[in-house]
Order: sequence, then C-alpha cells, then structure tokens
Amino acid sequence: EIVLTQSPGTLSLSPGDRATLSCRASRSLTSSKLAWYQQKPGQAPRLLIYGASNRATGIPDRFSGSGSGTDFTLTINRLEPEDFAVYSCHQYGGFFWTFGGGTKVEIK
Amino acid sequence: EVQLVQSGAEVKKPGESLKISCKGSGYSFTNYWIVWVRQLPGKGLEWMGIIYPGDSDSRYSPSFQGQVTMSADKSISTAYLQWSSLKASDIGLYYCARHLDGYAMDVWGQGTTVTVSS
Repeated sequence: EIVLTQSPGTLSLSPGDRATLSCRASRSLTSSKLAWYQQKPGQAPRLLIYGASNRATGIPDRFSGSGSGTDFTLTINRLEPEDFAVYSCHQYGGFFWTFGGGTKVEIK
Repeated sequence: EVQLVQSGAEVKKPGESLKISCKGSGYSFTNYWIVWVRQLPGKGLEWMGIIYPGDSDSRYSPSFQGQVTMSADKSISTAYLQWSSLKASDIGLYYCARHLDGYAMDVWGQGTTVTVSS
C-alpha cells in the first residue's frame, strides 16, 4: 500500500498569501495518478486537481498542482477567504488507493 | 445535473445489519467506478474500495476487506455498502463518489452518517 504523507499539518496564512502544500508518496506513482481535494466543514470533498497537474472543471487558476514520482505540490496563489479549508492528496495509481492525512489552511 | 444522492443517517446497535445506498443520476452509471470513502469525526479520508457497476468488478482496501460488502444494481443506478454485523468501530461518515479512469473522483454524494451504539 502506498502511504501519502502531507506537510505541513497546518498552514497559517493571510488572505492574499501563497500556500504551498506538499504530498510525498512512499513509492513512485505510475502515470502521476495523484489528485487534490478541498474539504470545508460539513461539506463533501471537492476535486481540485487530477493527474498531478490538471485542474478540474470550474476550478480557478490560482490553484495549481505539480510534481511527479514521489513528490507532489499543490500551490494556491493569492488566497481568497473561501480557500481556507482542509486539503487532501489522493493516489489512484496503486492497486490499493490511499489518501494523505490532510493539510489545514487556516487564517492567520 | 450529475449527482449522487445517498441514503439518510442511520443509528444502529452493535450486531445489527445495515445497507446504505448511493443513487446516481444525470450520467451513464455503468461507465464510472463508484468509490466508497470513510471519514471519522475530525479525521481524514479513508479509501474503502471501489466497484464498477457495469460488471460489479470490485476491489477492497485491506483495512475494510471482510468488514463490508459493496454491491451495485445498474438497473436502478444505485450502489450499496453493507455490514452484516455492525461494531462500534464502524461509526463514521461514509461518502460515495464516482471515478473515471484518467480523471479522478469528480462527483461526491452528500455522505451518510452511521452511528453504532448500544
């Protein structure tokens, strides 16, 4: 089973800042099958990025994903008030899929 | 509108059986995998398994293998997650989501809360 480790656990930032979230896999992901989800309290997760770097439909371009192999990054440029949430990475390249533990982006 | 609608919250006793549902609409139900995900209170997402409604091909996380059963009835575009004998540790918020190869889980149900208490 591929383990995904997200860091940091919590990121304290102000609106307008840039957020950089990391997701590291315990072994290389085939075909960069790595996605990022945003979740707000009381809501279901929302797909932001798939295939490591492709924005899902309707996702603003301030969200971007990058990386390959074992190291992946989600960058949020110019944080908006609605971006403060929990972000989880997810791999779907292994036989068993897994999620990272999540990074909470909170208002400083 | 593409959506997945899950059945309502459940409160059960240990040892009881349970089957929750996830009904798809607005898309071809048999062309997408259905994924089940658990979330414990205040915790992260856990991948439970996937099922392909087209042929009921399925795969379980080792953590959930033997603990739950996934199924699907393509005639009514509905996927199910069931327990034969609930335990206190089965509590949680259970989501279904659709997944397309080459894409990811783009549509999610609203979640079903399962409470197990004597």
